[in-house]
Amino acid sequence: AQKITQTQPGMFVQEKEAVTLDCTYDTSDPSYGLFWYKQPSSGEMIFLIYQGSYDQQNATEGRYSLNFQKARKSANLVISASQLGDSAMYFCAMRELTGNQFYFGTGTSLTVIP
Amino acid sequence: DVKVTQSSRYLVKRTGEKVFLECVQDMDHENMFWYRQDPGLGLRLIYFSYDVKMKEKGDIPEGYSVSREKKERFSLILESASTNQTSMYLCASTLPGANVLTFGAGSRLTVL
Repeated sequence: AQKITQTQPGMFVQEKEAVTLDCTYDTSDPSYGLFWYKQPSSGEMIFLIYQGSYDQQNATEGRYSLNFQKARKSANLVISASQLGDSAMYFCAMRELTGNQFYFGTGTSLTVIP
Repeated sequence: DVKVTQSSRYLVKRTGEKVFLECVQDMDHENMFWYRQDPGLGLRLIYFSYDVKMKEKGDIPEGYSVSREKKERFSLILESASTNQTSMYLCASTLPGANVLTFGAGSRLTVL
């Protein structure tokens, strides 16, 4: 079974609007971390945000927030006030804390429309 | 600033050639990873290493080998390159238990 599922291959959003990128995960490990990375067309992977499985509050980093719903095993990324520079691929990832591996989803390509 | 450096951004090789992709990190990280990125498939783990001379297979190790003789360097080797190994290769490193994976800029390999 897939550890990380991103069901939106491509998304469009109007500049200054908010957008939610979906991510669901699968693990039986009680301790895990969830991550989002951004990959612009230049190719580098940029770390955006982290959520631990025991964190009580949703993680936020500037315009990025992670909508963590543990019972539903979802970790959606919310980008508020979208900017043209937000156009990129976005990857959701998970690390089970009993192991060393990081598991990645297939990514969502976000295009911000002026 | 911490860095993961991949020696080549772009490579073009011929079928059957031996290919070395080098990755060096300056953060004293124990864990290092090689991923392959293909459109629609995301990042797939080829191999990872949690210490010098230690390695573990990831999800798609066939056709690849790795070498970790020094802590800072993790090499990916394609013994006999094939056209289906044309891809973007990403190296990453982290400390055990850390909450972030630091990536290199990627190496785009084309096998003709």
